[in-house]
Amino acid sequence: NAGVTQTPKFQVLKTGQSMTLQCAQDMNHEYMSWYRQDPGMGLRLIHYSVGAGITDQGEVPNGYNVSRSTTEDFPLRLLSAAPSQTSVYFCASSYGFPEAVYNEQFFGPGTRLTVL
Amino acid sequence: AQKVTQAQTEISVVEKEDVTLDCVYETRDTTYYLFWYKQPPSGELVFLIRRNSFDEQNEISGRYSWNFQKSTSSFNFTITASQVVDSAVYFCALSASTTSGTYKYIFGTGTRLKVLA
Repeated sequence: NAGVTQTPKFQVLKTGQSMTLQCAQDMNHEYMSWYRQDPGMGLRLIHYSVGAGITDQGEVPNGYNVSRSTTEDFPLRLLSAAPSQTSVYFCASSYGFPEAVYNEQFFGPGTRLTVL
Repeated sequence: AQKVTQAQTEISVVEKEDVTLDCVYETRDTTYYLFWYKQPPSGELVFLIRRNSFDEQNEISGRYSWNFQKSTSSFNFTITASQVVDSAVYFCALSASTTSGTYKYIFGTGTRLKVLA
């Protein structure tokens, strides 16, 4: 199993550009989520999905869109990049409800995004 | 409110010292789970342990031990005889119900542990 994969590993954008961060998992996990990690802020939840076709907002959803058309993929779209979106982005997955309440999340390696 | 507080931003210890990382949580749920993750300098996030709200037994795994106290809403993590390889950022997390009937994970801000040789 590849686990949770994220592409790209690094990305530099100019303000106003859009892009999609890719996330895929091969563990048949129903629950997937996106976090951003900033110094001193820990991991903050952007969006999450409890299954294909179902997404919900997390703590910091503004400026980001998600969709979940398949169980395996959960892309994160930046609509119009801003310097405040410079961060490290982690995708994670876990088993679906109710098991996910007590199962740990598996994290991808992260994408380091810089917005100039 | 549902939140996780890790008040210790950074801790430095000398190798072989014991160190405890604090985690305090708030939740409205009666059933919930708590987790600890480790993020070494390489950046990946590694799961360490989970604990459910009905199990207040302490857990020990090698040099690692966890103390869950529901009365104080704390889930503290102790490393005995610390080693340089323990240097990392440690995150405490809580599974929390949502108003839409699903659940999410709430992370603390992390504690950076530096173990000096």
